[in-house]
Amino acid sequence: AQKVTQAQTEISVVEKEDVTLDCVYETRDTTYYLFWYKQPPSGELVFLIRRNSFDEQNEISGRYSWNFQKSTSSFNFTITASQVVDSAVYFCAHPPKGGSEKLVFGKGTKLTVNP
Amino acid sequence: DVKVTQSSRYLVKRTGEKVFLECVQDMDHENMFWYRQDPGLGLRLIYFSYDVKMKEKGDIPEGYSVSREKKERFSLILESASTNQTSMYLCASRTSGARTDTQYFGPGTRLTVL
Repeated sequence: AQKVTQAQTEISVVEKEDVTLDCVYETRDTTYYLFWYKQPPSGELVFLIRRNSFDEQNEISGRYSWNFQKSTSSFNFTITASQVVDSAVYFCAHPPKGGSEKLVFGKGTKLTVNP
Repeated sequence: DVKVTQSSRYLVKRTGEKVFLECVQDMDHENMFWYRQDPGLGLRLIYFSYDVKMKEKGDIPEGYSVSREKKERFSLILESASTNQTSMYLCASRTSGARTDTQYFGPGTRLTVL
């Protein structure tokens, strides 16, 4: 089965701590893409990043960084110096071939950043 | 910036009512989607439209229909609302027919059926 697993259901940190959200995927595709979305309390799913399997370079965007490792089928997301505004549910997702065009989402990790 | 809007943030309806959820995107995207999100079940695809008047069923189409008369607008219709359709409904649009392109989501409609 092609699926995305986010084993951490909830994480709670104190502001300025670094936090890593885990994502493990299973896919039969030889080339594939992975996504991260953020869902703040307002409900809207906000696109964060799209990565393809050709490129395993880590990516950094401000306080966000992503660690993509094909050897362990993981695409982890790190927030450095977390802020209260980072509090949200974060979803990892994958669009499998033959998947009727949908995105397969993980169950999400709820991150709470306390002041 | 991509903008996907949904007609209502919150909606309360009664069992048996016909319900329309509207979604509009302003980026001339070809593909549009309706998902529902439930605790413990995650996001599930209801319907997908790859062009005007074209649609495909997703994983859970039962009890729903859709309409896409114009490229920018994709409507989800609950013909006879039931309490098990109480959920968060999310609309998305995508640039093209490439499944690897990014889907952009609207703010969601939280529907309660009493």
